[in-house]
Amino acid sequence: KNQVEQSPQSLIILEGKNCTLQCNYTVSPFSNLRWYKQDTGRGPVSLTIMTFSENTKSNGRYTATLDADTKQSSLHITASQLSDSASYICVVSGGRSGGGADGLTFGKGTHLIIQP
Amino acid sequence: GAGVSQTPSNKVTEKGKYVELRCDPISGHTALYWYRQSLGQGPEFLIYFQGTGAADDSGLPNDRFFAVRPEGSVSTLKIQRTERGDSAVYLCASSSRVGTGTGRNEQFFGPGTRLTVL
Repeated sequence: KNQVEQSPQSLIILEGKNCTLQCNYTVSPFSNLRWYKQDTGRGPVSLTIMTFSENTKSNGRYTATLDADTKQSSLHITASQLSDSASYICVVSGGRSGGGADGLTFGKGTHLIIQP
Repeated sequence: GAGVSQTPSNKVTEKGKYVELRCDPISGHTALYWYRQSLGQGPEFLIYFQGTGAADDSGLPNDRFFAVRPEGSVSTLKIQRTERGDSAVYLCASSSRVGTGTGRNEQFFGPGTRLTVL
């Protein structure tokens, strides 16, 4: 069964600190992996996308890594800001369990709180 | 429009009632998706439209749920005889091209409709 597991479930850090969020997946066949940021009361917004051949992708203070061999990805946030408080959702494409033409499987997300 | 819009933003209804949730996709986007998101969970796929037709409705939980997109733009998700378990945020997303199975066509999400069934 296609699954995406994220850890930790929630995380609280102080403003200015770095953090790393984890995503493990069992989706097969694999096409690509996205990290989404979802602010409270808003829809998810894509941060990065990585295909099988890409092992790192940056978007400002966000850096995602992908190890397609171990089926693991991480999202590293540098010098966190209060506006980084949100849920971060890992989404893997390629399997069929997610439905739709893109076969997306969503993780449950990591709820990140940045404290001043 | 500039982004995907959904109305209403919040809907409170009583058990057994009928509700309609509306989604306005980004202009020109041919693909439209509905998801349901419960508290602390990731979005759960419900149905996908390519143009006017439902290309994949395998995620609809039962026959109380139905969605239409009659002119290939605005879509309405309809829920009959609502139950308390239907309470969730219903997200709509659109993308510019038919899915190719690669997932490279980014889905742009709306803010969602928070449905509460009392």
